[in-house]
Amino acid sequence: GQQVMQIPQYQHVQEGEDFTTYCNSSTTLSNIQWYKQRPGGHPVFLIQLVKSGEVKKQKRLTFQFGEAKKNSSLHITATQTTDVGTYFCADPTGGGNKLTFGTGTQLKVEL
Amino acid sequence: DTAVSQTPKYLVTQMGNDKSIKCEQNLGHDTMYWYKQDSKKFLKIMFSYNNKELIINETVPNRFSPKSPDKAHLNLHINSLELGDSAVYFCASSPEMQPDTEAFFGQGTRLTVV
Repeated sequence: GQQVMQIPQYQHVQEGEDFTTYCNSSTTLSNIQWYKQRPGGHPVFLIQLVKSGEVKKQKRLTFQFGEAKKNSSLHITATQTTDVGTYFCADPTGGGNKLTFGTGTQLKVEL
Repeated sequence: DTAVSQTPKYLVTQMGNDKSIKCEQNLGHDTMYWYKQDSKKFLKIMFSYNNKELIINETVPNRFSPKSPDKAHLNLHINSLELGDSAVYFCASSPEMQPDTEAFFGQGTRLTVV
């Protein structure tokens, strides 16, 4: 079946450093979504990418969809302690509109 | 107002017991889901319902039985609980069965089976 892998699984950074998580699918994706889950919280939708090569920005967050639509990345510039959490990519195009989540990247930001 | 609400937030129970988790959404969405998140944070779909009809049953043991009395509610009943059922269970909803709509998640129910 389809697999969506993310690397790294964990990342510790100092506040102010940049952070990137990579998402790779075994199959070509139509769309890709990104979610953030704070510690003890629930996944919250961040963004959806649809077009090949698409780049979207939300303040310090930059999302990219690969040209072949099999990978995606999330880059955070100058991390802050509020960025702490687990970031998931997700394929929303499974049958029944289910989300197939990536394995997630847990980000810790230290002062 | 909470958009997707689950109860209880925490549930500690002994092996072999039967328990239920309730979920309600006030967003007017047609589609609701149950996801399971294990201790490694992996999130996996269990069930999805569209307008009270089961759409997805992702090879979940039949000890798990979802029930949707109306499109705003999707409850999860678990029989004969096992240690391996310990996880965080998330209810979610989305407005339409299309692959371009975001999902809204409830706050989760942390189930611990002892």
